[in-house]
Amino acid sequence: EADIYQTPRYLVIGTGKKITLECSQTMGHDKMYWYQQDPGMELHLIHYSYGVNSTEKGDLSSESTVSRIRTEHFPLTLESARPSHTSQYLCASSENHYGYTFGSGTRLTVV
Amino acid sequence: GQQVMQIPQYQHVQEGEDFTTYCNSSTTLSNIQWYKQRPGGHPVFLIQLVKSGEVKKQKRLTFQFGEAKKNSSLHITATQTTDVGTYFCAVFASGGSYIPTFGRGTSLIVHP
Repeated sequence: EADIYQTPRYLVIGTGKKITLECSQTMGHDKMYWYQQDPGMELHLIHYSYGVNSTEKGDLSSESTVSRIRTEHFPLTLESARPSHTSQYLCASSENHYGYTFGSGTRLTVV
Repeated sequence: GQQVMQIPQYQHVQEGEDFTTYCNSSTTLSNIQWYKQRPGGHPVFLIQLVKSGEVKKQKRLTFQFGEAKKNSSLHITATQTTDVGTYFCAVFASGGSYIPTFGRGTSLIVHP
């Protein structure tokens, strides 16, 4: 019954590769977010968007970019993957900031 | 910047025992949200607290917002194995910030 979808679920990729993590939501939410979470740790904001053609950087935005061409779609691109990018990436959306709905996440391993 | 501390980091309990996690902020908050993340899963929104001294209940879970709006607690009565997971608070600083700061979470382990 997930209303926010992330693909791929798992990804192993070599250093230096360019990758795009996909996130789509069917709830019509204007606000979308990307978080990075290492095991047992808190969530760190990477990027966020308050609507189409609106994107902002969070605390950990270096070496990644996002786009928001359609309300439902908010992909995250790593231009050149590094082992330090190994982590879980969570996409979320919200309506009026009342509670975030998270996707199932992408577990990325860079070798 | 906004600092938030959650304690304890881990809590082991026997099934049936109570559990409490605390979320403390260095600054006054406008509101606070609580999330639960099962092992291997993603955070799921539980509740939002807005008013000073507010108390909300969801079955065996009781959420409280401090009078000074700088701290909050989540209490689970008579834990069950289904309560296993990490409980995160997400705080919103007063003054109109719409980007929350997440705590490190408290991992609850329930022994049957």
